[in-house]
Amino acid sequence: EVQLVESGGGLVQPGGSLRLSCAASGFTFSAYSMNWVRQAPGKGLEWVSYISSSSSTIHYADSVKGRFTISRDNAKNSLYLQLNSLRTEDTAVYYCAGLGGAYSFDYWGQGALVTVSS
Amino acid sequence: AIQLTQSPSSLSASVGDRVTITCRASQVISSALAWYQQKPGAAPKLLIFYTSILESGVPSRFSGSGSGTDFTLTISSLQSEDFATYFCQHFNNFTPITFGQGTRLEI
Repeated sequence: EVQLVESGGGLVQPGGSLRLSCAASGFTFSAYSMNWVRQAPGKGLEWVSYISSSSSTIHYADSVKGRFTISRDNAKNSLYLQLNSLRTEDTAVYYCAGLGGAYSFDYWGQGALVTVSS
Repeated sequence: AIQLTQSPSSLSASVGDRVTITCRASQVISSALAWYQQKPGAAPKLLIFYTSILESGVPSRFSGSGSGTDFTLTISSLQSEDFATYFCQHFNNFTPITFGQGTRLEI
């Protein structure tokens, strides 16, 4: 059974930092491109960042470029997102999601809530 | 960046109804369009990819079609478990990956 389990969410002040982790199991993690997708409370889905299977290619949404850093450790079947210079508008549930060969998000985690507030 | 606009934004329907949700792109896009279902408090679930291919395990009452700028998700006969929010998504080489704003399907 495919499982993606996010951790590391919480309450942080504006300007602060947080590191999200996503532990993968049940599929060949090292063969999958991975992403972070977020959803602000009561809002729609917003793609945040992408990392290829080998970490050779990385992309970010303009809204987080220069503040967030995606990384992965295939030996540990883990995906990470370092969130720096956080803003109130970054408040959201952050999902890790696997991008399949058909360019759709095949696998999703349960989400980690990040709340940015003073 | 390509924008995806779903219509309607919300929809009231009854069990047994046939429902169609539209996803309109701001320019002609490829067939790399997917549909997701999301229930409250849960992660999105992939229903359809490449416009019309049903994900494994998804009931056959769901179908997708379209080309160019207009794409549709159809549920042929609504079941109680289908009441949820639906999103379309398109991949265009990370410029960026875009989602529609969602369609809330209510009883």
